[in-house]
Amino acid sequence: DAKTTQPTSMDCAEGRAANLPCNHSTISGNEYVYWYRQIHSQGPQYIIHGLKNNETNEMASLIITEDRKSSTLILPHATLRDTAVYYCIVRGIYNQGGKLIFGQGTELSVKP
Amino acid sequence: AAGVIQSPRHLIKEKRETATLKCYPIPRHDTVYWYQQGPGQDPQFLISFYEKMQSDKGSIPDRFSAQQFSDYHSELNMSSLELGDSALYFCASSSRTSGGGETQYFGPGTRLLVL
Repeated sequence: DAKTTQPTSMDCAEGRAANLPCNHSTISGNEYVYWYRQIHSQGPQYIIHGLKNNETNEMASLIITEDRKSSTLILPHATLRDTAVYYCIVRGIYNQGGKLIFGQGTELSVKP
Repeated sequence: AAGVIQSPRHLIKEKRETATLKCYPIPRHDTVYWYQQGPGQDPQFLISFYEKMQSDKGSIPDRFSAQQFSDYHSELNMSSLELGDSALYFCASSSRTSGGGETQYFGPGTRLLVL
């Protein structure tokens, strides 16, 4: 699975959009981009994933560049409860083992 | 919606003792994953099962073993516990029959403390 690079930490004002970038320049054609977050010591929570098209769900939007070498997770209206470590994970389709490889992640602090 | 259930949520053991952690996947999920998260670290993959067969193995010590049962629940057995085994242990489940990329859903974790 391709390696990802994320900023170590970010701040965001409550009510504003949080834009979390991720670089995955070695991603291959059959690899998805997944985003999870972990609120202090809780189980990682699935947010969203995509292959090449932009995706949106009730939690967030995922913007993937046309060359698929980077992506951005957007939390449209961040709240204090969105403070967490956000992991961007590139993962092959399930018949390749399926494990998630967690990297450093971005520690997002949402401030009042 | 039903989530992944893990038990116990907290466990305190002495060195050299054994521990058994249980995971009950989301109904109709056929795959279970185990992850270990040490203090201040990111989750690390240990082992996974698909349809009751081991499907992948990570950095799991030989002192640990796991299996998935006919009802798809899984147990992680840890023997000769060491201080360094103190960690959060997460179980995740997924369905490989779902299309559009298999998604893993995590349980709340078991916090193991070895004294």
